[in-house]
Amino acid sequence: NAGVTQTPKFQVLKTGQSMTLQCAQDMNHEYMSWYRQDPGMGLRLIHYSVGAGITDQGEVPNGYNVSRSTTEDFPLRLLSAAPSQTSVYFCASRPTSGGLHKNIQYFGAGTRLSVL
Amino acid sequence: AQSVSQHNHHVILSEAASLELGCNYSYGGTVNLFWYVQYPGQHLQLLLKYFSGDPLVKGIKGFEAEFIKSKFSFNLRKPSVQWSDTAEYFCAVNADSSASKIIFGSGTRLSIRP
Repeated sequence: NAGVTQTPKFQVLKTGQSMTLQCAQDMNHEYMSWYRQDPGMGLRLIHYSVGAGITDQGEVPNGYNVSRSTTEDFPLRLLSAAPSQTSVYFCASRPTSGGLHKNIQYFGAGTRLSVL
Repeated sequence: AQSVSQHNHHVILSEAASLELGCNYSYGGTVNLFWYVQYPGQHLQLLLKYFSGDPLVKGIKGFEAEFIKSKFSFNLRKPSVQWSDTAEYFCAVNADSSASKIIFGSGTRLSIRP
């Protein structure tokens, strides 16, 4: 059981470049989300999705796009990278129904992104 | 909208000392509460959770937390810390709804002196 898989693990971009951070889960979870982690600021929610075809903004959505065409995948797109987007990005998923595991969030290993 | 405050940014303790990390949330309705731990170089793992019932919940590795509804608090405790508890600890909350987002506090870095 792979859980939540993020790729790549590390990435260096130049200002203005675009890229997509991949996230896939094999637990059939309805809910998926993206966070960024910055020193002293904890995890801040970027975007989230409650199911295929449905996405919504979190606390810090500017500069990021998401889509959810399948239950398994939730890619995060940076259209024009900026140094302020240097951060560690975590994808997470959770079930929204079903007993004891409902609402327990599972995290990927993270993507460390540097924008020069 | 819900929010979470962790007032201790960095806590330094000696081994065998007792630990209490503060967490306060703001939300008027029913909530689910979590503590996650992130060991150096690793991703977040669930330490414990509160959904309903007994307000004193026990998690892994000897950690426990107490939900005090009147104080909007969910403080994390451990009677005797070990060097291996060195990590960053995050409190999180979501409204008790299947579609609600989970919001995290800013985290508390715990350093244990051997």
